Amino acid sequence: DAGVIQSPRHEVTEMGQEVTLRCKPISGHDYLFWYRQTMMRGLELLIYFNNNVPIDDSGMPEDRFSAKMPNASFSTLKIQPSEPRDSAVYFCASSATSGGYGYTFGSGTRLTVV
Amino acid sequence: AQSVTQLDSQVPVFEEAPVELRCNYSSSVSVYLFWYVQYPNQGLQLLLKYLSGSTLVKGINGFEAEFNKSQTSFHLRKPSVHISDTAEYFCAVTANDYKLSFGAGTTVTVRA
Repeated sequence: DAGVIQSPRHEVTEMGQEVTLRCKPISGHDYLFWYRQTMMRGLELLIYFNNNVPIDDSGMPEDRFSAKMPNASFSTLKIQPSEPRDSAVYFCASSATSGGYGYTFGSGTRLTVV
Repeated sequence: AQSVTQLDSQVPVFEEAPVELRCNYSSSVSVYLFWYVQYPNQGLQLLLKYLSGSTLVKGINGFEAEFNKSQTSFHLRKPSVHISDTAEYFCAVTANDYKLSFGAGTTVTVRA
């Protein structure tokens, strides 16, 4: 299995632009998580899905952030409009109900908003 | 809600020496505990997990951790570290809702 695949690996954008981060979970995993990592706040859970349905989005910082999972093999995290304080590494992770709770993380997308 | 506290933000250690990374958790219900490792510019990788059974858990790369319910701790140990163990280590907890809460991380720097 190729693991959790995130794209792009790096994204540099100007303030006010729309940014879309993409994630392909491991086939057969029924949970998908989006985390944000910064030096100041560490790892923060933004939102997670079970069987493509959003379960908890309480970590989404504000309405500029949105996430979708149109099918079991694809999810997006969108920021519109982007701001410099959104600069962080965004991780996607997936897990299986039968997998004993262990997550598999992607390599992350490093977002820089200038 | 559950939370974890990693007691050391940075741990310098010499090669072939033992290392212990401390993690305490807080919860009013039974929990599952995890240790993850993050190498530079990479995602997190699962080292080991405690779900139930034996309180001594062995993981990959020679790491082990001991679950201590009375002290609400889940400390990670390795008897002899290598340069390649230089990384950031995260303790995490969940209470059966699949939502992991991570500690702030401990940076381990192994010196020759």
